[in-house]
Amino acid sequence: DTGVSQNPRHKITKRGQNVTFRCDPISEHNRLYWYRQTLGQGPEFLTYFQNEAQLEKSRLLSDRFSAERPKGSFSTLEIQRTEQGDSAMYLCASSSTGSSNSPLHFGNGTRLTVT
Amino acid sequence: KNQVEQSPQSLIILEGKNCTLQCNYTVSPFSNLRWYKQDTGRGPVSLTIMTFSENTKSNGRYTATLDADTKQSSLHITASQLSDSASYICVVSEDSNYQLIWGAGTKLIIKP
Repeated sequence: DTGVSQNPRHKITKRGQNVTFRCDPISEHNRLYWYRQTLGQGPEFLTYFQNEAQLEKSRLLSDRFSAERPKGSFSTLEIQRTEQGDSAMYLCASSSTGSSNSPLHFGNGTRLTVT
Repeated sequence: KNQVEQSPQSLIILEGKNCTLQCNYTVSPFSNLRWYKQDTGRGPVSLTIMTFSENTKSNGRYTATLDADTKQSSLHITASQLSDSASYICVVSEDSNYQLIWGAGTKLIIKP
């Protein structure tokens, strides 16, 4: 399978713990995006990378959130000191170019539950 | 404020029937409009992308239309199948791939 891969698929953690998610994009895609989605809503943009450079961060991305893409391939999203409001589906997507007409290819997400 | 509104919020139809989902937007500047299908518990999958100059685009049994003057789009599904049960999300791009304005989606249920 050469699609976008996200791990883990599910994560349950206690409030205050740190969690880290991983995303492996389609190999030839140089752009990688992180989104957050809550039930019944469309995805909300968090941040995106072109190669290893993080080019944009949403105001939603508080200082407890950090994302990296160290070698321009896979990416990690870390949430420190998790809160119950962080419970959501975290989606990763990749695209091949910066053209606004390029489709985003999404992974199946990591569902985070903070208890 | 840039917004994308979809209707209906949910829809139930019988297998084999056709249906049309609506999307109205107030996004400016406008680059393109996309329709995504999202199965429960999975990531969205791109169905169509239309630019300002395109007013219809098909992908199998899915046909999207765009009226850039009235800022409206529709997604028509022909001869529905049980596997069409999903949320359908309308997304409008301002001018880059990350500046996407997402609708809340229409939840479609196909009954046998």
